[in-house]
Amino acid sequence: GAGVSQSPSNKVTEKGKDVELRCDPISGHTALYWYRQSLGQGLEFLIYFQGNSAPDKSGLPSDRFSAERTGGSVSTLTIQRTQQEDSAVYLCASSSTGGGVEQYFGPGTRLTVT
Amino acid sequence: QKEVEQDPGPLSVPEGAIVSLNCTYSNSAFQYFMWYRQYSRKGPELLMYTYSSGNKEDGRFTAQVDKSSKYISLFIRDSQPSDSATYLCAMELYGNNLFFGTGTRLTVIP
Repeated sequence: GAGVSQSPSNKVTEKGKDVELRCDPISGHTALYWYRQSLGQGLEFLIYFQGNSAPDKSGLPSDRFSAERTGGSVSTLTIQRTQQEDSAVYLCASSSTGGGVEQYFGPGTRLTVT
Repeated sequence: QKEVEQDPGPLSVPEGAIVSLNCTYSNSAFQYFMWYRQYSRKGPELLMYTYSSGNKEDGRFTAQVDKSSKYISLFIRDSQPSDSATYLCAMELYGNNLFFGTGTRLTVIP
């Protein structure tokens, strides 16, 4: 079956612009996660959605970052007023259970802020 | 101190060698221990996970957890060029959040 998909695969934007990154999880997966992977760094947790519960936003680095998940499926990560330090690969993962184990990752969106 | 420490490598081995990849961690409350493989420009792919201490084997891969030492390992037997990738360890506290190592880049030379 189809895996997790993300779009766009690459995004180049100018400093100060807003960007939206999209994630389509595996059908039927109730849990959805966003991570950031910077060069030489491990994956950094950003936000987690589980069903209709309030999202866990504890990993968002600043109020310029926000995410929503519509209808329990597609999710959008928005970064406002982008900064050069926001350049990274943004990964989305989904899971069929509420636990963190067995997460399935998308290919990521490579964001470059110039 | 980071929650999870992993030697970034790079690590180069000849085809057929046994590879040992390791992570250490500081939080004794971690419950699940995972290994992910990430090919260049791809998302991480779950290889295997273990709960608490002990060993788990899957084909050429063996995961080992020693909670008393806060140390986990992944062994790859009869390594193949197709095993060339970055290997990430990850650990779950409880609930949903995973803590990742920085990854070890492995190259298996034919």
